Amino acid sequence: GENVEQHPSTLSVQEGDSAVIKCTYSDSASNYFPWYKQELGKGPQLIIDIRSNVGEKKDQRIAVTLNKTAKHFSLHITETQPEDSAVYFCAAQTRYGGSQGNLIFGKGTKLSVKP
Amino acid sequence: DTAVSQTPKYLVTQMGNDKSIKCEQNLGHDTMYWYKQDSKKFLKIMFSYNNKELIINETVPNRFSPKSPDKAHLNLHINSLELGDSAVYFCASSQDWRGVEQFFGPGTRLTVL
Repeated sequence: GENVEQHPSTLSVQEGDSAVIKCTYSDSASNYFPWYKQELGKGPQLIIDIRSNVGEKKDQRIAVTLNKTAKHFSLHITETQPEDSAVYFCAAQTRYGGSQGNLIFGKGTKLSVKP
Repeated sequence: DTAVSQTPKYLVTQMGNDKSIKCEQNLGHDTMYWYKQDSKKFLKIMFSYNNKELIINETVPNRFSPKSPDKAHLNLHINSLELGDSAVYFCASSQDWRGVEQFFGPGTRLTVL
């Protein structure tokens, strides 16, 4: 089945710097890749997603890139702010028979932005 | 208005007890999910219902039984609770069975003593 690896597990940056989180997936048939932000004590919140027919997507300070050949995708946060501090999860959507819509998550990256 | 809500937020119980967690979404979505997040923050799908019908059932013990009385509600009942069931359980919903843009609830922290 699909396997998603996420790196790094922790990331500490200074306010204003950029942060990059990388994920790889194993199933070449996966075609939807969302990123979630989880703040302490809250549920994961979808922040951006990308589909396999697109190489890059931007939303203000957040961007996601996808390399289908290499089977990896990355989250880029520019001009980081303390409120960006959270755990970030990547995911890949697999489609196997009755498991349509099944999201497989990476293990998360704890991002700390120091003022 | 909360899009996906869960009750209770915290649940502390003894081993062997039976408990239920409730979930409601007011987004008009057709598909709802239960996820388990363990102590290491790993998120894993447990079940998915589309229009009240089960469409995903991962390898979950039979002690876990989801029920969907209508497409806005998906409840999770757990029998004979075990220590290993301690986790945070998240409900989520998406527009349809394709599962894109899933919205998560705030979670229910279950502690089994």
